[in-house]
Amino acid sequence: ETGVTQTPRHLVMGMTNKKSLKCEQHLGHNAMYWYKQSAKKPLELMFVYNFKEQTENNSVPSRFSPECPNSSHLFLHLHTLQPEDSALYLCASSQAGQTYEQYFGPGTRLTVT
Amino acid sequence: KNEVEQSPQNLTAQEGEFITINCSYSVGISALHWLQQHPGGGIVSLFMLSSGKKKHGRLIATINIQEKHSSLHITASHPRDSAVYICAANSNTGNQFYFGTGTSLTVIP
Repeated sequence: ETGVTQTPRHLVMGMTNKKSLKCEQHLGHNAMYWYKQSAKKPLELMFVYNFKEQTENNSVPSRFSPECPNSSHLFLHLHTLQPEDSALYLCASSQAGQTYEQYFGPGTRLTVT
Repeated sequence: KNEVEQSPQNLTAQEGEFITINCSYSVGISALHWLQQHPGGGIVSLFMLSSGKKKHGRLIATINIQEKHSSLHITASHPRDSAVYICAANSNTGNQFYFGTGTSLTVIP
């Protein structure tokens, strides 16, 4: 596996379900990111981890819970989501620091019913 | 008002045409990124620049820091260039990124 991978690629869940999105990077990077992309809206940065420490949380509701056990893996735990949370969730990685190029995963298309 | 504005929102071109997509931003930046997103969602980073001009093949990106403006040019456009092009500003305060809404480009054979 190379680059940034995400699983699952598609997910349909009910509002009472609990699920997790997984991201893995094979690039030796130290920073990882979660983004949300809703229809007709700009990409929104959700969380940033540098060296496994969370350095940004852009006022994301607590029903989204990130976890970064090591520099190569990033999870997004989901519980009691709302239909408006349906979106494409993208993971990215880069070298730690402000001005490094980011490499994106293919995304998870989430539908909340 | 979004911190990053792109124009046009939609663009249709004939194969071979020269294409320009514009990006204006209102925040202080450490870098400006141009991204390409194909149908299905995958995003590829095309350029990261903080001054001047960069070129990769048929793609050219320029930035004017004083005017807070960047352009992405595609020379000799091809149908495979059809995608959404996104401008992103990397803020110079903290780990913050601001994204434009994207320009949807369709190149017709």
